[in-house]
Amino acid sequence: AQTVTQSQPEMSVQEAETVTLSCTYDTSESDYYLFWYKQPPSRQMILVIRQEAYKQQNATENRFSVNFQKAAKSFSLKISDSQLGDAAMYFCAYRSGGLKTSYDKVIFGPGTSLSVIP
Amino acid sequence: DTGVSQNPRHKITKRGQNVTFRCDPISEHNRLYWYRQTLGQGPEFLTYFQNEAQLEKSRLLSDRFSAERPKGSFSTLEIQRTEQGDSAMYLCASPDGEQFFGPGTRLTVL
Repeated sequence: AQTVTQSQPEMSVQEAETVTLSCTYDTSESDYYLFWYKQPPSRQMILVIRQEAYKQQNATENRFSVNFQKAAKSFSLKISDSQLGDAAMYFCAYRSGGLKTSYDKVIFGPGTSLSVIP
Repeated sequence: DTGVSQNPRHKITKRGQNVTFRCDPISEHNRLYWYRQTLGQGPEFLTYFQNEAQLEKSRLLSDRFSAERPKGSFSTLEIQRTEQGDSAMYLCASPDGEQFFGPGTRLTVL
């Protein structure tokens, strides 16, 4: 069975600085997606960034980028120029299959609570 | 706003009562997932629908839980004889490549 581990329950970062959240996962599959989701307090979970396993190039979305190390099964999230609005729970997540798979159950890690210090 | 709605947003009930939650997914999505999220944890899979067919249920879904999706549109999740351990956030997701989550229903069982 697939598992997702986040070893940092809490992190903090100074506003405008850079922070990296860690994630490792375990799978025997070769075709899968990895995600980082953000869940602000009392607000909806939203997708921050996703990475297709077959793509070697690391995904980037504005201030958010990932470091995907497939052999090491590591998937970290880097947030640059941190803003107060980045404060939230961040979940690393795994899904089997390709983008248009008909089975898209997501397995989540336990989350990292990120605080941004003004 | 992801386009997925859930009602009610909050529910407080006494132990032993029955509760029902509703999820309205994005209309053109034929799959729908329910997850449960306890405090300080990531969401855990409960069940999955493709149109009106319930295709998978987690071991977390005891006999007191039942989910339906009539006509493949909205879905309901019912918990009978609630227990304090059922207190959690219940999330609905409507996937299309990525999971679009609803705001969740926070259940508190006293």
